[in-house]
Amino acid sequence: QKEVEQNSGPLSVPEGAIASLNCTYSDRGSQSFFWYRQYSGKSPELIMFIYSNGDKEDGRFTAQLNKASQYVSLLIRDSQPSDSATYLCAGWKTSYDKVIFGPGTSLSVIP
Amino acid sequence: NAGVMQNPRHLVRRRGQEARLRCSPMKGHSHVYWYRQLPEEGLKFMVYLQKENIIDESGMPKERFSAEFPKEGPSILRIQQVVRGDSAAYFCASSPEAGAYTGELFFGEGSRLTVL
Repeated sequence: QKEVEQNSGPLSVPEGAIASLNCTYSDRGSQSFFWYRQYSGKSPELIMFIYSNGDKEDGRFTAQLNKASQYVSLLIRDSQPSDSATYLCAGWKTSYDKVIFGPGTSLSVIP
Repeated sequence: NAGVMQNPRHLVRRRGQEARLRCSPMKGHSHVYWYRQLPEEGLKFMVYLQKENIIDESGMPKERFSAEFPKEGPSILRIQQVVRGDSAAYFCASSPEAGAYTGELFFGEGSRLTVL
């Protein structure tokens, strides 16, 4: 069983819509979760991190964490064509532990 | 304040040659991670190093691959006798010391290895 799983997509949404990206993890010891965005041919960049159950909002982005269900999600409101990228979910336990990435979900925002 | 520096950005090798990829962490960071990304795939963990110490190498292939992070100088990922399957983007990331670490990784631009 993979430690972090995501739907590979591609996920297509029209411009202005809400994009919903999902991630599940298998290690209950994981404490913090991260969403990275990666444009084609570029390095990953951090969008959000979350470590408490519930929602965390930052601008157009909302991360949601449900530790009981071992589920993490990222909502992107008012999607823009510039949001078209691959979104990587990652989990981390504690210091001296590696960060584990999911396979990524490709998002395409259609103008 | 320079970010994570990787070089070379692009490297072409013929089968059987050696590839050496270098990574200098962000200023003030003492931990380095190497990840490999095959085309259209996610980031696969390879190795996690502290200066002069390998913390976790569970993702490193047992043969041909090695990594170091010496007291002075950059971290180096070395691939001996490269094969076509080694063609990938190799990303380095750094983080501060454990006490100040939140799990966030700061990535370099990556080194893209092509094996002919």
